[in-house]
Amino acid sequence: EPEVTQTPSHQVTQMGQEVILRCVPISNHLYFYWYRQILGQKVEFLVSFYNNEISEKSEIFDDQFSVERPDGSNFTLKIRSTKLEDSAMYFCASEAGGNYGYTFGSGTRLTVV
Amino acid sequence: RKEVEQDPGPFNVPEGATVAFNCTYSNSASQSFFWYRQDCRKEPKLLMSVYSSGNEDGRFTAQLNRASQYISLLIRDSKLSDSATYLCVVNSRDSSYKLIFGSGTRLLVRP
Repeated sequence: EPEVTQTPSHQVTQMGQEVILRCVPISNHLYFYWYRQILGQKVEFLVSFYNNEISEKSEIFDDQFSVERPDGSNFTLKIRSTKLEDSAMYFCASEAGGNYGYTFGSGTRLTVV
Repeated sequence: RKEVEQDPGPFNVPEGATVAFNCTYSNSASQSFFWYRQDCRKEPKLLMSVYSSGNEDGRFTAQLNRASQYISLLIRDSKLSDSATYLCVVNSRDSSYKLIFGSGTRLLVRP
């Protein structure tokens, strides 16, 4: 079964440092997403990406966040200057289109210290 | 009003029991509805889509009531492996693929 791959599985970083979270979506999917889940809380939308540009973003996705699809396969989320409150599980997801539901990657647990 | 509302539970049931979860959503323009399952510290996994006519997948039955903006999930003959958090998910508006997640209902199935 095709899957979405995320690396690393766990990243610990110091406050103020930049982090890049990486995702390889399913190859024939067209829509890509980043979500996050703070421990004990619900899954929250960050950003959607289609046709090489952001199609929608949430209030959480401020100037410290950016996304890229640098080479047609990888899909990255960059946090420029991490804060303690950025500590969460970050999930990448992809979808072929047609509202059949997403496939999520196994997530990157980001811990900011 | 929250966009997607669920009873957090936990629902603690014996193996073999039938259990039902409910969910309400606030955006009447939403067109796509799903139930996801999430195990502890894992990613959400699509359990099933929810269609207007209701749909069944093995022991799982999903129902949608658009007039009441209400979605349900029924699990029959619960197994120990059904223990997880069940997430009610809707798209944010009729032309968007962005999904909005409820906080989830926790199910514990005991032997």
